[in-house]
Amino acid sequence: EVQVLESGGGLVQPGGSLRLSCAASGFTFSSYGMSWVRQAPGKGLEWVSDISGTGDGTYYADSVKGRFTISRDNSRNALYLQMNSLRAEDTAVYFCAKAYRGDRYSFDYWGQGTVVTVSS
Amino acid sequence: EIVLTQSPATLSLSPGERATLSCRASQSVSSYLAWYQQKPGQAPRLLIYDASNRATGIPARFSGSGSGPDFTLTISSLEPEDFAVYYCQQRSSWPLTFGPGTKVDIK
Repeated sequence: EVQVLESGGGLVQPGGSLRLSCAASGFTFSSYGMSWVRQAPGKGLEWVSDISGTGDGTYYADSVKGRFTISRDNSRNALYLQMNSLRAEDTAVYFCAKAYRGDRYSFDYWGQGTVVTVSS
Repeated sequence: EIVLTQSPATLSLSPGERATLSCRASQSVSSYLAWYQQKPGQAPRLLIYDASNRATGIPARFSGSGSGPDFTLTISSLEPEDFAVYYCQQRSSWPLTFGPGTKVDIK
């Protein structure tokens, strides 16, 4: 059974940092691109970042470029999102999501999300 | 950036009725469009990928059609569990984008 499980969310002050993790199981992790998608309170879905199965291709939304870094450890079946210089507008539920096929970025499995709150 | 527009914003229907949701892209996305369902407090669920392919385990009452800029998600006969928010998403080019959503609620 495919599972993805996020962790690492919490309350952080503006300008602070946080590292999100996503533990994956039930599929050949290195064969699939992975992504982070967020949802601000009461709002719609916003794509944040992708990483290819091998880890050598990464993409970012303009809103996080230069502040967030996506990475993966295929030996641990783990995905990460390092978030620096956090702003109030980064407050959201952050979902880890699996590409449905290879590096085709529509998402067939999602975690339940981890909450990030940026506030003083 | 490809902007996705969904209409209507809200669709009020009764169980058993047919639902037709639209998604229009600001430029062609070929067939690289997906549909998701999201219920309150839950993660999104993939319904349709690449415009017309049902994801694993999705009931046959859900169907997708379209290409280029115009797409449709049809729910042939609404079940009580179908009342939710529906999002479209394009993977034609980065940045990936989602539409603002259509809420299907009970009339």
